[in-house]
Amino acid sequence: DQQVKQNSPSLSVQEGRISILNCDYTNSMFDYFLWYKKYPAEGPTFLISISSIKDKNEDGRFTVFLNKSAKHLSLHIVPSQPGDSAVYFCAAWETSGSRLTFGEGTQLTVNP
Amino acid sequence: GAGVSQTPSNKVTEKGKYVELRCDPISGHTALYWYRQSLGQGPEFLIYFQGTGAADDSGLPNDRFFAVRPEGSVSTLKIQRTERGDSAVYLCASHPSGGGNEQFFGPGTRLTVL
Repeated sequence: DQQVKQNSPSLSVQEGRISILNCDYTNSMFDYFLWYKKYPAEGPTFLISISSIKDKNEDGRFTVFLNKSAKHLSLHIVPSQPGDSAVYFCAAWETSGSRLTFGEGTQLTVNP
Repeated sequence: GAGVSQTPSNKVTEKGKYVELRCDPISGHTALYWYRQSLGQGPEFLIYFQGTGAADDSGLPNDRFFAVRPEGSVSTLKIQRTERGDSAVYLCASHPSGGGNEQFFGPGTRLTVL
């Protein structure tokens, strides 16, 4: 079963606008959520994270929102830049576990 | 400092052959993870090492897959009797202590089984 889902395989936005990437999860034992960014032929790079005890975490142009009751999180990028074009993975961590569980990824394209 | 490195970057083999994939974690990181990423999917967990021992190997798909980390640094993922379905990018990640959430990934090895 897919415990972390990213329902949008792709997203295209104009430079300067907001990009919103969404992620849903089913396992209520997850207590830490992360976003990774991946360029072709490179490994995923950590971007931003949020603990389940918070509902928002901001780092520069990147903000992650967590809605525990809906088991939903989102990544906001504003303003979007062409260099943000990459595949974004949502991942979840359970403290009692030993692995990251990833979504399928969303290909973000920011058009100049 | 140097990040996680993986060799080879690409490996093409024939069905039925044996392959070894190598991971050099960040120096001093005690936790090491292997993931497999198939086309259009996110990385899927294979195995986790804490030091020299495999603390969790529940993600290995079958007994053709095996991994070692004899000295607690470099790890080798070994696949016997490769099948076409094993074709994927194999990613290695490390973490300083095994808290594990913000893992540092290598560039991966793209394995193609013909």
